[in-house]
Amino acid sequence: AQKVTQAQTEISVVEKEDVTLDCVYETRDTTYYLFWYKQPPSGELVFLIRRNSFDEQNEISGRYSWNFQKSTSSFNFTITASQVVDSAVYFCALSEVNTNAGKSTFGDGTTLTVKP
Amino acid sequence: NAGVTQTPKFQVLKTGQSMTLQCAQDMNHEYMSWYRQDPGMGLRLIHYSVGAGITDQGEVPNGYNVSRSTTEDFPLRLLSAAPSQTSVYFCASSEPAGDFTDTQYFGPGTRLTVL
Repeated sequence: AQKVTQAQTEISVVEKEDVTLDCVYETRDTTYYLFWYKQPPSGELVFLIRRNSFDEQNEISGRYSWNFQKSTSSFNFTITASQVVDSAVYFCALSEVNTNAGKSTFGDGTTLTVKP
Repeated sequence: NAGVTQTPKFQVLKTGQSMTLQCAQDMNHEYMSWYRQDPGMGLRLIHYSVGAGITDQGEVPNGYNVSRSTTEDFPLRLLSAAPSQTSVYFCASSEPAGDFTDTQYFGPGTRLTVL
């Protein structure tokens, strides 16, 4: 069975600090997708990134960056120079290959609070 | 495109009542799923569908029924509501992409309270 663990329940930082959200996953599949979603106080789920298991390249998008390491089964998310608008719950998720289409396993989320 | 739409946005039920949460997508996606989100937890899969006429159970299916008569619609039925079903419900759709399922698009959610 697949599992996603986000050990950090809550993180609080001051604006402009860098912050890393951890995600560790378990799966027996060799091919899978990993995702990060943002859930702001308004409640909707905002897609941030998708990474497939064959691509271990790190990715940077503006102030966001992701570090994928298969050796440690981790897919960590870093926000550089955090802003108050980054305050949200962030979810890491895992999807297995196409035979389990439309299914994702989510972590319990990390609540990030960025204080001005 | 409206994407994934869900109705209602809010609902209050009494224990034992039944109701249907509606979900529709206009992206012609094959795959659709229902999740529930309880406070302090991530999303848990209730039921999913890989195409019209095909549905299957997820992690927490008890107390819920689904059907998929069209590609666009995937309603979730609560047969006899219980307080334990108080939650936020999200519908999602996605499309196969080679050997992988493409990104899931989520609806805005339905906040359900069962008294």
